Amino acid sequence: DAGITQSPRHKVTETGTPVTLRCHQTENHRYMYWYRQDPGHGLRLIHYSYGVKDTDKGEVSDGYSVSRSKTEDFLLTLESATSSQTSVYFCAISGRASANTGELFFGEGSRLTVL
Amino acid sequence: AQTVTQSQPEMSVQEAETVTLSCTYDTSESNYYLFWYKQPPSRQMILVIRQEAYKQQNATENRFSVNFQKAAKSFSLKISDSQLGDTAMYFCAFMKHAGSEKLVFGKGTKLTVNP
Repeated sequence: DAGITQSPRHKVTETGTPVTLRCHQTENHRYMYWYRQDPGHGLRLIHYSYGVKDTDKGEVSDGYSVSRSKTEDFLLTLESATSSQTSVYFCAISGRASANTGELFFGEGSRLTVL
Repeated sequence: AQTVTQSQPEMSVQEAETVTLSCTYDTSESNYYLFWYKQPPSRQMILVIRQEAYKQQNATENRFSVNFQKAAKSFSLKISDSQLGDTAMYFCAFMKHAGSEKLVFGKGTKLTVNP
């Protein structure tokens, strides 16, 4: 199994509060991703990173920000959580330091509920 | 932008029988990767099979095989000798070969294997 962990695994918060999800990898993979999964929508890309301090937006990036200050950590922040951000969030990694085979390795997901 | 369409939201099959899940995609790229991921009730995302567009031979992994029709932009998954453990959500996904490392997912097909 790829060494990828997400924290927290479950979180319940209130509308308007900030939330940070953390993804940590031990594989030295270059690319890291945050997806959200919602019924009827599959997985949609929020943000991704192709290196330290190099990030880009995905298709559903509004309301989210990310940071990657070191290779192993990729943080997803909801500055002011809304009920529409209730979802399961998946972190994924791919590509060794010098190559990307296209395969993504996923974390176990973080279930976020915004009341 | 690339899109991935899975036209079968739900399917069921009897144990030991064969089932085919459909996937079509839209792209103007000539080189790309296609994937099938499985998500069992545990929520873990697992790579089932991978196809590189420049390879004409269809990929196979044990009981799983694909029918890749590049001209038709079709990428179906065939599961032979279905087992109860195959019960899961199945996602078709697309990734450009180079220039962008983003994986685009379909909305998924829920497969139930009945005893």
